Amino acid sequence: QSALTQPASVSGSPGQSITISCTGTSSDVGGYNYVSWYQQHPGKAPKLMIYDVSKRPSGVSNRFSGSKSGNTASLTISGLQAEDEADYYCCSYAGSSTYWVFGGGTKLTVL
Amino acid sequence: EVQLVESGGGLVQPGGSLRLSCAASGFTFSSYAMSWVRQAPGKGLEWVSAISGSGGSTYYADSVKGRFTISRDNSKNTLYLQMNSLRAEDTAVYYCATLGSRGGHYMDVWGKGTTVTVSS
Repeated sequence: QSALTQPASVSGSPGQSITISCTGTSSDVGGYNYVSWYQQHPGKAPKLMIYDVSKRPSGVSNRFSGSKSGNTASLTISGLQAEDEADYYCCSYAGSSTYWVFGGGTKLTVL
Repeated sequence: EVQLVESGGGLVQPGGSLRLSCAASGFTFSSYAMSWVRQAPGKGLEWVSAISGSGGSTYYADSVKGRFTISRDNSKNTLYLQMNSLRAEDTAVYYCATLGSRGGHYMDVWGKGTTVTVSS
């Protein structure tokens, strides 16, 4: 069982927006502004999409955005494209005992 | 171009040992903390271990503490993961990743991974 809870799957049509939630506790998501999101296509390595809750690395489309409220973080993808179909994982720093915890992953299907 | 290339994976019997390597290029290796993350077949990501840029500080997940040792050789731009007392549940693809610059709490650049299979 993963430390952070994500929906197993979400779907949307091209052009639409979707949001993936990531629920933790006050010891991880709620306690630090260190939530990151990763995209993983089948058979490929994960790719950093969002860090520090809402910052986008250079080269990542501005269609990807992140936010946090309390113990729940969210990743929003606007203007869905076929290439966005992938697994998405959230991750949170959890302090100097547990360090990092991941969510179980969410499979995004672009209909 | 920043590049990380893992090697050393393979098939090992339960109770055996394996050492993974991660060769880094395209950046000042010693300036970055590094991490190992694994993914069991069909499962999600699991953080395994991390090490500071100097190598003086190391961190482990409870699931591997006492069995795995992370280290680095900054003169060779290489990260290592020594895995002892391997169990079936250690079967996974192991990725190395840079941690964010200036103490960033995220995995920035990832390698393509190396596969470890623990089975008799």
